[in-house]
Amino acid sequence: QQPVQSPQAVILREGEDAVINCSSSKALYSVHWYRQKHGEAPVFLMILLKGGEQKGHDKISASFNEKKQQSSLYLTASQLSYSGTYFCGTEILGSQGNLIFGKGTKLSVKP
Amino acid sequence: GAVVSQHPSWVICKSGTSVKIECRSLDFQATTMFWYRQFPKQSLMLMATSNEGSKATYEQGVEKDKFLINHASLTLSTLTVTSAHPEDSSFYICSARVGAGGSSRGQYFGPGTRLTVT
Repeated sequence: QQPVQSPQAVILREGEDAVINCSSSKALYSVHWYRQKHGEAPVFLMILLKGGEQKGHDKISASFNEKKQQSSLYLTASQLSYSGTYFCGTEILGSQGNLIFGKGTKLSVKP
Repeated sequence: GAVVSQHPSWVICKSGTSVKIECRSLDFQATTMFWYRQFPKQSLMLMATSNEGSKATYEQGVEKDKFLINHASLTLSTLTVTSAHPEDSSFYICSARVGAGGSSRGQYFGPGTRLTVT
């Protein structure tokens, strides 16, 4: 049931773009994206609900393809502060609302 | 808005003792809270779902008699690790869900509690 995230790791230069994918084998109610820095708790980025959504904030956006049960997180013109591990958390349709997290994508932004 | 606090931030205890970790939603009411543990360089693993006023639902493989969860109010859930052993050392993180069921507007995490059992 654990969603599959890809890539596992990515290294960028400041200003470059990145895409992180999250794929589930189960029908989903929602997909949540978080960023976690070393030694800290995950920070909520955004939630996408079933019905197909796209949303963004500043230069981070995401989409949810309900038919494919896939979500993608887009990081545009990356900044040093974007470095961290990104997790997608999936809420399976009909569940109690608990999230199942992918293994994470480690993003490193270099100057 | 949507601030979740945890206390303590870290704790070192001796093997065999019990440790209580508190999770509070500061500016909203949380009918449902979740407890996760995370080992170094690994993903978050859900331990249990805590519902206010009812018994927690534990994930498979999590001992409910060892990890006691109490969700006594809409803003407080506690996790007690009983008779802790070194293998219980981990980063424990709680989250609280904003909204309920179909109106879920995300889960917000507390800052985590690092438990070290010596």
